[in-house]
Amino acid sequence: GQQLNQSPQSMFIQEGEDVSMNCTSSSIFNTWLWYKQDPGEGPVLLIALYKAGELTSNGRLTAQFGITRKDSFLNISASIPSDVGIYFCAGLPPWAGGTSYGKLTFGQGTILTVHP
Amino acid sequence: NAGVTQTPKFRVLKTGQSMTLLCAQDMNHEYMYWYRQDPGMGLRLIHYSVGEGTTAKGEVPDGYNVSRLKKQNFLLGLESAAPSQTSVYFCASESLGGPTYGYTFGSGTRLTVV
Repeated sequence: GQQLNQSPQSMFIQEGEDVSMNCTSSSIFNTWLWYKQDPGEGPVLLIALYKAGELTSNGRLTAQFGITRKDSFLNISASIPSDVGIYFCAGLPPWAGGTSYGKLTFGQGTILTVHP
Repeated sequence: NAGVTQTPKFRVLKTGQSMTLLCAQDMNHEYMYWYRQDPGMGLRLIHYSVGEGTTAKGEVPDGYNVSRLKKQNFLLGLESAAPSQTSVYFCASESLGGPTYGYTFGSGTRLTVV
C-alpha cells in the first residue's frame, strides 16, 4: 500500500517555540489531513487540505498542501504545554472518491513534548 | 455526548484466549473502521465496514474477525490472541460527507497479550 513518511519522529521543545513537521509520499494525494492525539485519547482532526498549494490555518496551527501533491507541512506557532501529543498526517489518494472508504493512509506520527 | 464509544478501555489476555472489542456510534454514520496503533507504526487499518451487514479487510486483517450486525455497532474479535496483537485499538466512524466531516475516533482499547 501507499506509505507516508512523517518527520521528525519526535520533538522536544521549550514553551513558546515554533514547531514544524512534514509528511511526504512517493505518490500523490487529493486530500491531506492533520490529526492530533492527546495522551489516552483517539486522534482528532485539526486541519483538512484539498488543493495543491493550499495554506490553511486553525488558530496557532498552519498547514500547507505541497505543490507536488506528494507532501504536506504543519506548523505550530508559540507552542504551549497543551500542544503535547502525537500529530498524524493522513492522505487520501485520487481514486478514493468522496469518502475515505478505508483508503485513508496515516503517517507514523510525530511525538511532541513541550517543556514549560 | 454523541460520539464513538469503545469497550473495554483496558484488557489483559493470556495467549490463546479470545475476546471481542465493541465499538458503538450514535451519529448514524455509514462507515466504521478498526485500527491498531503501535509505536513508530502509526495507525494501521485492520478491517472496515461500509454499511450494516458488510465488512472488508484492511491492511493488517490476519488474526482478527469483525461483524456489523447493526449499523451502530462494529465488533472486533480475536479468536486466539497472540503477543503480537498487543496494541492500542481504535475504532472510527465516518459519515457519507467524507473524512473531513465525520471521521470520528473512539478513545481506544489498550490490549496486552501475555
